Amino acid sequence: ETGVTQTPRHLVMGMTNKKSLKCEQHLGHNAMYWYKQSAKKPLELMFVYNFKEQTENNSVPSRFSPECPNSSHLFLHLHTLQPEDSALYLCASSRTELGAGSGNTIYFGEGSWLTVV
Amino acid sequence: KNEVEQSPQNLTAQEGEFITINCSYSVGISALHWLQQHPGGGIVSLFMLSSGKKKHGRLIATINIQEKHSSLHITASHPRDSAVYICAVVPQGGSEKLVFGKGMKLTVNP
Repeated sequence: ETGVTQTPRHLVMGMTNKKSLKCEQHLGHNAMYWYKQSAKKPLELMFVYNFKEQTENNSVPSRFSPECPNSSHLFLHLHTLQPEDSALYLCASSRTELGAGSGNTIYFGEGSWLTVV
Repeated sequence: KNEVEQSPQNLTAQEGEFITINCSYSVGISALHWLQQHPGGGIVSLFMLSSGKKKHGRLIATINIQEKHSSLHITASHPRDSAVYICAVVPQGGSEKLVFGKGMKLTVNP
């Protein structure tokens, strides 16, 4: 238990569906992240939120839409996805946005396995 | 070419063996992380290093900044150590974002 909870753990959706992934952290962190992990590829950063403000969008297609209503919750809204978007989506948090490189640890959730059919 | 390279890509060991996992990187860094990912997908942070050596239980992590290399050692390996081990670095002077290696899959057989 890392203190970062993701739901659902598994999701199968059609290309015309709209669904959302949810992430919640109980660590009092101010920075939250979405990462994508595809088979045999390194983790790819998608979005960063710091104090509820988006500070990084790593050229992610608009069919992925993040939302951060408060520092504890992060959503990834999905619509009109493609089969190549099938991957493991990981949420993470750290004390501050600079935490990963400034003496703070990054905490990951268990991930949401997404299959687009 | 990825900025972070890990070797080997896969490793199978017998329970009790001493295991070394290597990570090389090509940029100046402010920190290096070792992460463990279990088959279910969740990732746990094992170590964060900027110099020297750290130890936690049966795990030891070392880093040589001049040679741009880090190693993760597992002593008295156990089947529960079976996982993917990921090295990630924070490049210096950049946006403090983690750059990940592809990971190394370790299988420890009883």
